[in-house]
Amino acid sequence: DAKTTQPNSMESNEEEPVHLPCNHSTISGTDYIHWYRQLPSQGPEYVIHGLTSNVNNRMASLAIAEDRKSSTLILHRATLRDAAVYYCILRDPLQTSGSRLTFGEGTQLTVNP
Amino acid sequence: GAGVSQTPSNKVTEKGKYVELRCDPISGHTALYWYRQSLGQGPEFLIYFQGTGAADDSGLPNDRFFAVRPEGSVSTLKIQRTERGDSAVYLCASSPRAGLAESFSYNEQFFGPGTRLTVL
Repeated sequence: DAKTTQPNSMESNEEEPVHLPCNHSTISGTDYIHWYRQLPSQGPEYVIHGLTSNVNNRMASLAIAEDRKSSTLILHRATLRDAAVYYCILRDPLQTSGSRLTFGEGTQLTVNP
Repeated sequence: GAGVSQTPSNKVTEKGKYVELRCDPISGHTALYWYRQSLGQGPEFLIYFQGTGAADDSGLPNDRFFAVRPEGSVSTLKIQRTERGDSAVYLCASSPRAGLAESFSYNEQFFGPGTRLTVL
């Protein structure tokens, strides 16, 4: 399975943009890039996903490099509620294992007031 | 509407005992997943159900772990002869469906709050 690499931790200030990087140099052509986040004492929650093009939703934006070997989750204005562990996950719908989520250790985001 | 619920929220047991953890998925979701999360780690996949059948149980660590979903809704994770190493948060998730090569718009997983299992 293709792996992802994320920084262990990042810090941001409230109301400022946050760019969370993810490297996935061994990504296959059919891997989708998913992001989930886990707030303290809660289960993970879906944030966004994409394949090749950049994606936007109400929570965040996903910028995908042209060679797809890296991606960046963008929170446009961080709030204290965005403090969480963010996981970048690859999923291949053509693989039996594509139904599961394979979590790494993620990036712990701290948001300072 | 109601999200995924898990009971109990906390379970303390003694080494060697049997435990059952329950998951109530979102109504109408056909796919159900179990994960477990140790302190400081990301969740680790255990098993996935499509309807009543286990479509992928390759993450179950050994034969002490078993899960059922007899009517395609509620699922129970069963752990026999518990060991201290089984202590973790057990997470359940559901999704509308989980067919391969389908749009992942239907595949987002919705997680419950988890059951914290402590084996003394």
